[in-house]
Amino acid sequence: RKEVEQDPGPFNVPEGATVAFNCTYSNSASQSFFWYRQDCRKEPKLLMSVYSSGNEDGRFTAQLNRASQYISLLIRDSKLSDSATYLCVAVRGYQKVTFGIGTKLQVIP
Amino acid sequence: NAGVTQTPKFQVLKTGQSMTLQCAQDMNHEYMSWYRQDPGMGLRLIHYSVGAGITDQGEVPNGYNVSRSTTEDFPLRLLSAAPSQTSVYFCASRQRRREPPFDTEAFFGQGTRLTVV
Repeated sequence: RKEVEQDPGPFNVPEGATVAFNCTYSNSASQSFFWYRQDCRKEPKLLMSVYSSGNEDGRFTAQLNRASQYISLLIRDSKLSDSATYLCVAVRGYQKVTFGIGTKLQVIP
Repeated sequence: NAGVTQTPKFQVLKTGQSMTLQCAQDMNHEYMSWYRQDPGMGLRLIHYSVGAGITDQGEVPNGYNVSRSTTEDFPLRLLSAAPSQTSVYFCASRQRRREPPFDTEAFFGQGTRLTVV
């Protein structure tokens, strides 16, 4: 079993829709979590940090459920510019940083 | 604001050739790492460093060497290129806080697209 698992998608959603991604992690020692956005052929860039139960930034909400070992990302009012791959990251200790394979989102006009 | 600078952006190598991918950061980050990204595999850690003079292996270290002589630079060397090393390579750096939450975001270079023929 992979340490961080994501549904690769693609998720095809209409503009204005709400979409949610889940990410599960297998190691309960993981302490910090991040969502990164990666555009095609570009480097990953931080979208949100998730240290405690959750975080909200505008249309984006991330939630952490330590009991069930998953992190979710909710995107409200989807824009065309939200089309990208969303990477889930779990950090365990200083060195152990594990990326999921990413979930591809395509927002359709 | 340079951040993390990677060179070259593109490279084509013949099997058996060697080369060095350069990575430099100007944020005084202690932690630097190299990843490769392949379709369906996500980002996989090759090597990492927690400070000058300290390096360690990640998940897929075979065929690669690193060194960290300064805080700023973390080059990745391909010793004898193989077609299996065709990939996109990313260098990243991050800092660890002295107080919680300890872990911070990683900053990535723009990537190197390497093709080995």
